[in-house]
Amino acid sequence: DTGVSQDPRHKITKRGQNVTFRCDPISEHNRLYWYRQTLGQGPEFLTYFQNEAQLEKSRLLSDRFSAERPKGSFSTLEIQRTEQGDSAMYLCASSPVDRTTNYGYTFGSGTRLTVV
Amino acid sequence: AQRVTQPEKLLSVFKGAPVELKCNYSYSGSPELFWYVQYSRQRLQLLLRHISRESIKGFTADLNKGETSFHLKKPFAQEEDSAMYYCALSKPGSQKLVFGQGTRLTINP
Repeated sequence: DTGVSQDPRHKITKRGQNVTFRCDPISEHNRLYWYRQTLGQGPEFLTYFQNEAQLEKSRLLSDRFSAERPKGSFSTLEIQRTEQGDSAMYLCASSPVDRTTNYGYTFGSGTRLTVV
Repeated sequence: AQRVTQPEKLLSVFKGAPVELKCNYSYSGSPELFWYVQYSRQRLQLLLRHISRESIKGFTADLNKGETSFHLKKPFAQEEDSAMYYCALSKPGSQKLVFGQGTRLTINP
């Protein structure tokens, strides 16, 4: 297990097209997170899963965004009808489960999306 | 709502000098606080958590509830400390992190 993997590393798409990103977390980690990072900003929370259940979604996640984690392992993030404002780095992270504290995450390298 | 402010976008110090990266937060309760670091061409990684009260790579951070701050400090900067540093906060029991905008630290030889 080499950590959190994201695919693709880079994606250039035309406005209006749909894109899908994949994240493979560390195998022992039950929790999986998606964040978005734009230039000059820190990462912003989008959503997170515990196993296959999507437990929280940000208001940033418009109707055009959908995330799944069907078997509690890898996750996909789909953006429909992309807009130029969707251009960003999309980060995936995972963490072990702990009821009382936040251990912090292990991040992937990210998928950089450019909408032209 | 929780908020994290890192007032310095850029910070430049000479090798061997002390470093302090500022982080202020707004949250009415007792948050969990973190520092993340991103070295050039590497992924974002956890540097330290306040709950662990640890020192990593010579860095320490003390939670000051009165000033709602969690500044990151190192007594003697090294060139390999040059990186982007992010302060982050989560509510107790929450897994969601709120990040600051980050501070780019440059250590000059």
